[in-house]
Amino acid sequence: TQLLEQSPQFLSIQEGENLTVYCNSSSVFSSLQWYRQEPGEGPVLLVTVVTGGEVKKLKRLTFQFGDARKDSSLHITAAQPGDTGLYLCAGARRGAQKLVFGQGTRLTINP
Amino acid sequence: KAGVTQTPRYLIKTRGQQVTLSCSPISGHRSVSWYQQTPGQGLQFLFEYFSETQRNKGNFPGRFSGRQFSNSRSEMNVSTLELGDSALYLCASSSQLDNSPLHFGNGTRLTVT
Repeated sequence: TQLLEQSPQFLSIQEGENLTVYCNSSSVFSSLQWYRQEPGEGPVLLVTVVTGGEVKKLKRLTFQFGDARKDSSLHITAAQPGDTGLYLCAGARRGAQKLVFGQGTRLTINP
Repeated sequence: KAGVTQTPRYLIKTRGQQVTLSCSPISGHRSVSWYQQTPGQGLQFLFEYFSETQRNKGNFPGRFSGRQFSNSRSEMNVSTLELGDSALYLCASSSQLDNSPLHFGNGTRLTVT
């Protein structure tokens, strides 16, 4: 059983469309991180959200942490081929000393 | 600042052999974590080292082991390789032992035949 469930697992859309990726759990996290991984490379941190209800923007990417700190979403506006990659969410729990990763959403943006 | 360096990038081994993977963290980072990444299981935590001591361990068999040196460089070893050990092994460093953001290397792609 995955502690962090990401959906959808796969998403293929056309350039210019909008999309939302979800990261859900029944557990409370002290913070949540989003990473993007491109083929042949390791994951790269995009953002960390800490406060329930927090919204962070990174250009066309909008990240939100749920009020109860159990879920998060990533919204991409006007997707571009450069957004293609594996998006991973990772939750940190109080008292635990390792991050828990979701299975990832593999996103493909077609030109 | 140089990033996390993992060597080798690719490795092909046969069943029953053993393998050692190396990771050099970002300068000044004392925490090194290892993850196994496969299409079916995603990123699975192997272990974490801080100041040469293993601080956390995931649910992997004893064939998977690691160590960290005084310069924070880390190695992981897999003995008696099985076909199912084929995966991308990622090393990540962070400055603290807590859940600070991880800085990943580009991984070692291990193929067991």
